[in-house]
Amino acid sequence: DVVMTQSPLSLPVTLGQPASISCRSSQSLVFSDGNIYLNWFQQRPGQSPRRLIYKVSNRDSGVPNRFSGSGAGTDFTLKISRVEAEDVGVYYCMQGTLWPWTFGQGTKVEIK
Amino acid sequence: EVQLVESGGGLVQPGGSLRLSCAASGFTFSSYPMHWVRQAPGKGLEYVSAISGDGSTTYYANFVKGRFTISRDNSKDTLYLQMGSLTDEDMAVYYCTREYGPGSNDYWGQGTLVTVSS
Repeated sequence: DVVMTQSPLSLPVTLGQPASISCRSSQSLVFSDGNIYLNWFQQRPGQSPRRLIYKVSNRDSGVPNRFSGSGAGTDFTLKISRVEAEDVGVYYCMQGTLWPWTFGQGTKVEIK
Repeated sequence: EVQLVESGGGLVQPGGSLRLSCAASGFTFSSYPMHWVRQAPGKGLEYVSAISGDGSTTYYANFVKGRFTISRDNSKDTLYLQMGSLTDEDMAVYYCTREYGPGSNDYWGQGTLVTVSS
């Protein structure tokens, strides 16, 4: 299975400051069609996961533009330009290139 | 509005069986592959199983080991997960999710909790 490794696992952030989460895959996520199926999900406390980013850098409808995704090959990053209180939760990267699809361990974002 | 509503969770004894259901609405159910993802208490997310839109193709995580069966009834817009030989390691919230991609899931249900205990 493809192993997705996130860092850090805990991220205390000051309101209004940027945050960055790294995700590394154990093998290339380039699919046969040339796309990279790397997604980012947010899970707020007590809620179901919500997709933020798909195919590395495409933001879902309704997702604030302070969230951005980037990366290539096996290294990917989720950035929050200015953290707001509603961003508290756990963030997961997920690869949908190879079955079984796999998630990273999760990064818990909290406010300092 | 897309909605996915899981049901069927509950308390089951080790070695027992349970069938989960996921009622879909707000989209053409048969056009989308569907997935089950689970989350053990306080833990991360883990893929369990997937099924194609017409139900002809299924995928299972290795840990399922023939114990679970995914199916769907497109006439009822409903997804199922038949689980057997349950152990405490199967205790989790089980989410139904729609594949929109390929390679991604967009909508998720609220989840249904499966508790395995004697």
